[in-house]
Formats: sequence, structure tokens, C-alpha cells
Amino acid sequence: NAGVMQNPRHLVRRRGQEARLRCSPMKGHSHVYWYRQLPEEGLKFMVYLQKENIIDESGMPKERFSAEFPKEGPSILRIQQVVRGDSAAYFCASSPLAAGTGNEQFFGPGTRLTVL
Amino acid sequence: AQSVTQLDSQVPVFEEAPVELRCNYSSSVSVYLFWYVQYPNQGLQLLLKYLSGSTLVESINGFEAEFNKSQTSFHLRKPSVHISDTAEYFCAVSGDNAGNMLTFGGGTRLMVKP
Repeated sequence: NAGVMQNPRHLVRRRGQEARLRCSPMKGHSHVYWYRQLPEEGLKFMVYLQKENIIDESGMPKERFSAEFPKEGPSILRIQQVVRGDSAAYFCASSPLAAGTGNEQFFGPGTRLTVL
Repeated sequence: AQSVTQLDSQVPVFEEAPVELRCNYSSSVSVYLFWYVQYPNQGLQLLLKYLSGSTLVESINGFEAEFNKSQTSFHLRKPSVHISDTAEYFCAVSGDNAGNMLTFGGGTRLMVKP
């Protein structure tokens, strides 16, 4: 059973460009979370999605950031008009939310975004 | 609202010495507690978790953590560390409602020296 997959692993963008980060959850998992890890900091929650629905986006910046999890295909985190402050590691996690799992989340390897 | 505090940003220790990484949390609801480990340039791996039952939980590689409700703590311990334990360790908490996101502490960098 493959784990959570993220691509690309490394992404370099110039200021003003768009960044698209992809996440394929573990097989059988229908819940996806995105977290951001700024340099020398812990992970901060951004958004929680189920198939075709955004459940909680309380951690998402109000502008330039969006996320989706379509019926088919991976979840996408999109950052428009990137700025240097967007440079970070972005982690995706998935969860089966089966009863008794305590919301255990399985993390992907992350995408490291560098904005020049 | 929930929060997690890891008091020590870095913990240097010699190989084969014991170590404790501290974690305190605050929450208005019952919680689940987790420790994740992150090796350099890698993602997070679950080390151990407390959901219910026995307050002492163990991992397969010798770590253990004890849930202390009165002190709202979930400290991580290992009686004898190895060089390969060098990594960043994150304590995290989630509410007992399915679907709640994880709230992470700032992390503790464990540096094991020979």
C-alpha cells in the first residue's frame, strides 16, 4: 500500500509566478490536510478537505492561496503570485477517519518551495 | 482552541544517555496526543500516540510517552539514545471530534553526540 505521495518534491518559482503542489492520499483515505512548515518552525495547519469539499480552511491565507480535492485525481494546493515569504515546506497528510483511529494522519514527504 | 508548547528547541545529549523531550498542551476538549519524528529533508513519521486507555504508550524503537492529564503533559522519553535518533521531534494534539486538524508544537531538535 503506497503512502501519501506529493509532487514535486522541490519547486523553484520566481516572484509573481504560480505554484501548484499535488498530493495523492493513501488508498482508501478520503480526507486530506495541508500544512506549512516555515524555516525553523513547526507545522501550521492550512486546510482540510474531503472529496469535492473544503471542510476547514481556517489556516489558509485569505489571498493567493486555494486548495481543491476533486472527485478524481490528487488534491491541489495552488499559490498565485508567489512571494519570498511563501518559501516553505508544504506537507500533505491523509486520514481514513475510521472509527477509533483518533484522527491519525499519515504524512507525505513534502514539497519544498523556494521563491527567488 | 488548542495549543502545544515544546519548551526545549534543542536538546544535545551523548549517545547511550537518557533523554526527555517535554510537551505541554492546552485544550478545552478531550484530546488525542501524538509524537512525530522528522529526519532531515524528510516528511513526518508517527512515533507514538495516545488515544485512550493506558497512559503510558511505547514505540517500537524504545521511546515512550506518558499522558498526564492533571499536568496536561505528554513528555517523550528514551532511556538510552542512539546516534540515529538525531532528528526533529514534534508533539501534536487533535480534538476528539473526527476530522479535527493537528496542532503542532514548535519542535525539539534532538542532537545525539558520540
